[in-house]
Amino acid sequence: DTAVSQTPKYLVTQMGNDKSIKCEQNLGHDTMYWYKQDSKKFLKIMFSYNNKELIINETVPNRFSPKSPDKAHLNLHINSLELGDSAVYFCASSHPLRQRDSPLHFGNGTRLTVT
Amino acid sequence: RKEVEQDPGPFNVPEGATVAFNCTYSNSASQSFFWYRQDCRKEPKLLMSVYSSGNEDGRFTAQLNRASQYISLLIRDSKLSDSATYLCVVNLNFGNEKLTFGTGTRLTIIP
Repeated sequence: DTAVSQTPKYLVTQMGNDKSIKCEQNLGHDTMYWYKQDSKKFLKIMFSYNNKELIINETVPNRFSPKSPDKAHLNLHINSLELGDSAVYFCASSHPLRQRDSPLHFGNGTRLTVT
Repeated sequence: RKEVEQDPGPFNVPEGATVAFNCTYSNSASQSFFWYRQDCRKEPKLLMSVYSSGNEDGRFTAQLNRASQYISLLIRDSKLSDSATYLCVVNLNFGNEKLTFGTGTRLTIIP
């Protein structure tokens, strides 16, 4: 029944490690996103993919590499984790935004803590 | 000027009261507008879309003022369960397909 699911829910790791977060949606949407919510609760877009193609990369460090094997999946791999990467990462999906009234549907978030 | 700006609050409002939030946006060509709600340690969830003519969903009313570039959310007869952070979301239409979030307005309903 879950519309947008991401795993893991919690991720605790040490600086310098490499980790991945997975996301899948069963809503039939063409567009998927990664958002980061920092300690001040501000939600900022990181990446957007449309039908497996990268369309937005918001000046995110290249330690972050998204991968979309198909339009229902968008994974996020992070190399050489830093303390400042600690945040909640949300995956989301939607119909193309040029269609009016295309809201985002979010996964339940991955709380990443880098120690 | 921030692209999407909200008063962060917190708003502490007695149960049963009416409360209203505004959100301003920077680009007059902005298209879609939404209000989202986020509970503590949860994902944002769509509360309602905002249409040009204004729209209502039960106790919630959303309005768009294009001339002054703001949207508003009115909550009538507030309930304890309305306590949450309310996020204003706008497609600023800068030529790329993304939705920009405001910083959120925190609302606490007091018994």
